[in-house]
Amino acid sequence: DAKTTQPPSMDCAEGRAANLPCNHSTISGNEYVYWYRQIHSQGPQYIIHGLKNNETNEMASLIITEDRKSSTLILPHATLRDTAVYYCIVRVATKGGSNYKLTFGKGTLLTVNP
Amino acid sequence: GAGVSQSPSNKVTEKGKDVELRCDPISGHTALYWYRQSLGQGLEFLIYFQGNSAPDKSGLPSDRFSAERTGGSVSTLTIQRTQQEDSAVYLCASSFSSGGDTQYFGPGTRLTVL
Repeated sequence: DAKTTQPPSMDCAEGRAANLPCNHSTISGNEYVYWYRQIHSQGPQYIIHGLKNNETNEMASLIITEDRKSSTLILPHATLRDTAVYYCIVRVATKGGSNYKLTFGKGTLLTVNP
Repeated sequence: GAGVSQSPSNKVTEKGKDVELRCDPISGHTALYWYRQSLGQGLEFLIYFQGNSAPDKSGLPSDRFSAERTGGSVSTLTIQRTQQEDSAVYLCASSFSSGGDTQYFGPGTRLTVL
């Protein structure tokens, strides 16, 4: 799977949008961009994933650049409970094969401040 | 709907004792994964079950570790003769199908070996 680069930490004011960047310049054409987060002492939580189109769900939006070399996760109205480590990973999302071993990098520690 | 559940949430044991950790995947998910996460570290893949196929045990760190998945649903991870270096959070995840499907994690079991 392609490598990703994320800033180690970010701060955001409560109620404002949190924009978390991720660089994945070596991404392959069949690799998806996935975002998970891990709140302290909890298991990783799936947030969203996408291939090349922007995606939105009830938790967040994912904006992927046209060249797919970077993406941004947007939490539109951050709350204190969104304080967590956010992981951006790229992986092949196909049936079968051996691409099921998830690996997380260091991620971005997002701190939402009151 | 119900997510992945794990029990116990916390387990403290003495060095040399055996422990069993349980995972209940999301109903209908055929793939189940075990990972562990040591303090401040990333995910370490342990084992993968898919339907009735032979599991991928390539991540198990030693022969003291074993896992079963009975009836294609509940899984048990067993660690025999626990050592202090086994202390970690043991995470279970499941996905609808195999390979690159989105994995959903449970809350984890925090194992402390004294």
